[in-house]
Amino acid sequence: GENVEQHPSTLSVQEGDSAVIKCTYSDSASNYFPWYKQELGKGPQLIIDIRSNVGEKKDQRIAVTLNKTAKHFSLHITETQPEDSAVYFCAAGQKLVFGQGTRLTINP
Amino acid sequence: ETGVTQTPRHLVMGMTNKKSLKCEQHLGHNAMYWYKQSAKKPLELMFVYNFKEQTENNSVPSRFSPECPNSSHLFLHLHTLQPEDSALYLCASSPVGLAGELGHETQYFGPGTRLLVL
Repeated sequence: GENVEQHPSTLSVQEGDSAVIKCTYSDSASNYFPWYKQELGKGPQLIIDIRSNVGEKKDQRIAVTLNKTAKHFSLHITETQPEDSAVYFCAAGQKLVFGQGTRLTINP
Repeated sequence: ETGVTQTPRHLVMGMTNKKSLKCEQHLGHNAMYWYKQSAKKPLELMFVYNFKEQTENNSVPSRFSPECPNSSHLFLHLHTLQPEDSALYLCASSPVGLAGELGHETQYFGPGTRLLVL
């Protein structure tokens, strides 16, 4: 089955700086890669996704890059703000296996 | 709001109790999911229903019994649970289930039910 590894498990950055979270996957047939954000007391919410026919997708301060050859994809958040503090999950695979999550803290 | 609601939000039960978790989606989706979220395994798929039919059971113990009477409602019946079953139980829905589009669809999650088994 699919194996998804996510790093780092925790990340602390200063407000205004950039944050990068990386995921690797094992199933070469994977072609859909979503990122979810989970705030305290809420369920995960999709923030951006990418399909295997593109290498990069951007939505305002959030971007995702995909390297299918190396089987890894990354979430980039620029100009971080306090409201970006949350747990972020990547996912991949035919049955959407989730990574272990990254707790991102934005320090004011 | 995601359009997926879950009740109750919090539940405390003894190991001999029987309780049920309820999920309702107002998005017109055809697929619904149960996930377990704990410190050990942050998002673990339990069950998938597609057009009211169960299409995935991820080796879940029989003390968890799902029910999907229609595409908008999903239940998780609990009986004789163990303390290690304490977790956040999340419901999600998507336009098409994993069996149909094999994980290519956005899933919309509810807020979860925080379960504590004593």
